Amino acid sequence: GAGVSQSPSNKVTEKGKDVELRCDPISGHTALYWYRQSLGQGLEFLIYFQGNSAPDKSGLPSDRFSAERTGGSVSTLTIQRTQQEDSAVYLCASSLGQVNQPQHFGDGTRLSIL
Amino acid sequence: GDSVTQMEGPVTLSEEAFLTINCTYTATGYPSLFWYVQYPGEGLQLLLKATKADDKGSNKGFEATYRKETTSFHLEKGSVQVSDSAVYFCALRGGNQGGKLIFGQGTELSVKP
Repeated sequence: GAGVSQSPSNKVTEKGKDVELRCDPISGHTALYWYRQSLGQGLEFLIYFQGNSAPDKSGLPSDRFSAERTGGSVSTLTIQRTQQEDSAVYLCASSLGQVNQPQHFGDGTRLSIL
Repeated sequence: GDSVTQMEGPVTLSEEAFLTINCTYTATGYPSLFWYVQYPGEGLQLLLKATKADDKGSNKGFEATYRKETTSFHLEKGSVQVSDSAVYFCALRGGNQGGKLIFGQGTELSVKP
C-alpha cells in the first residue's frame, strides 16, 4: 500500500518475554520515527532515524528498548524482558528528509503485557 | 525543554456549533506547529500545519494561526459536524530537535446531532 505499514496490529505477550515490532515506511521517505501512545503518558517520542546518520535515541525509556533500520527502509523496534508498563500503542511514522515535511503515521501496534 | 499544552477534554458540542481547542507551547528557536487528528479506530492523520509566525494552516474547515507573541496555535472550526468527532493533538517540531514531534495530551471532541 501507499501508507506506513506496521505489524503486528495487536500483540499480547507475557511479562518477561521479548517482542519485535515492525514498520514499513512510505517508499522514498528517508526519515523514520517511533512513538508510544499510552493512557498515562500520552504520545511520546522514542527514536528517530534520518538517512545514514546516527539515530536520535533520546526518547527510549530504558536499555530494554532498541531499534534498528535496515537498508534505510524497514525498521524493527525491540523490547526485551517486557514489563506491564510497556503496554501501549507503538506508532511508526515516516517523512521526507526535510525538517518541515509532515510525518505520516501507521495504524500502530497495540502491545499488551500480561 | 520544549512542551505543548492543550485544553483538556472531553469537549462535547452540538452539530453546527463553533469549536475552539486551545494549544500553547514552549520552545526554543522557531518551531513548526501541527494539528493531528485521530478518528475512532484509525491512525493519526495530519490535519494542518504552520511553519512560521503568523502563518495560518487550514484544512477541512479547520484553521489555526501561529501566534508567536502568545505562543499559541488554537484550533478553530466555524460549524462542526458529527463526523468531526475524534481526538485532536497539537504538536510542535523544534528547529533544533531534529525531526521529532512533541505532542500535547490530546483533546477528545464529541459532536452530537
